[in-house]
Amino acid sequence: AQSVTQLDSQVPVFEEAPVELRCNYSSSVSVYLFWYVQYPNQGLQLLLKYLSGSTLVKGINGFEAEFNKSQTSFHLRKPSVHISDTAEYFCAVSDRSTDKLIFGTGTRLQVFP
Amino acid sequence: SAVISQKPSRDICQRGTSLTIQCQVDSQVTMMFWYRQQPGQSLTLIATANQGSEATYESGFVIDKFPISRPNLTFSTLTVSNMSPEDSSIYLCSVQRGPGELFFGEGSRLTVL
Repeated sequence: AQSVTQLDSQVPVFEEAPVELRCNYSSSVSVYLFWYVQYPNQGLQLLLKYLSGSTLVKGINGFEAEFNKSQTSFHLRKPSVHISDTAEYFCAVSDRSTDKLIFGTGTRLQVFP
Repeated sequence: SAVISQKPSRDICQRGTSLTIQCQVDSQVTMMFWYRQQPGQSLTLIATANQGSEATYESGFVIDKFPISRPNLTFSTLTVSNMSPEDSSIYLCSVQRGPGELFFGEGSRLTVL
């Protein structure tokens, strides 16, 4: 069965600093990969997705992620964070054969002024 | 993007009672998904609801505890039966928008006393 590991439960960072949120998934079969963001007291919003093609994916709010098949990783990056980026970030993987979406445990990004 | 409306947005319930959560989508969709997000945790898929057939439940979730209705292509309900404090969670309705990609409602925050 698919699983997703987000190694960091919390990432504190100062405003305008770069950030990387790590995500690894378990299976080597063809998958779709996603990052979702959840702002306080809100639902989940799609940040970006990898379906196929270029391994570098750009999303909303200046975020990007790189699919690395050999390392089964899909790390999320942003070169300069803002206070408004403070939120919970979830990595998710979907097995192409089932279309079920499996979520990681989440990483809380806390941006300080 | 789809517009998903969930009701209630939040509720406080007594132990032993049941609560039905409604999910309305602004367009017809084949599959609707119900997720649970327990406090401080990630999202767990409860079941997949297809119109005209019984819902498909994930391991650890049963119909008697979480009965689901799907009367048409734009509406679904999830009932949390005989509630206990362990059922305190955010319950999220979602629909598929593209391969493996889900679009989420704002969620229903349930507190059981």
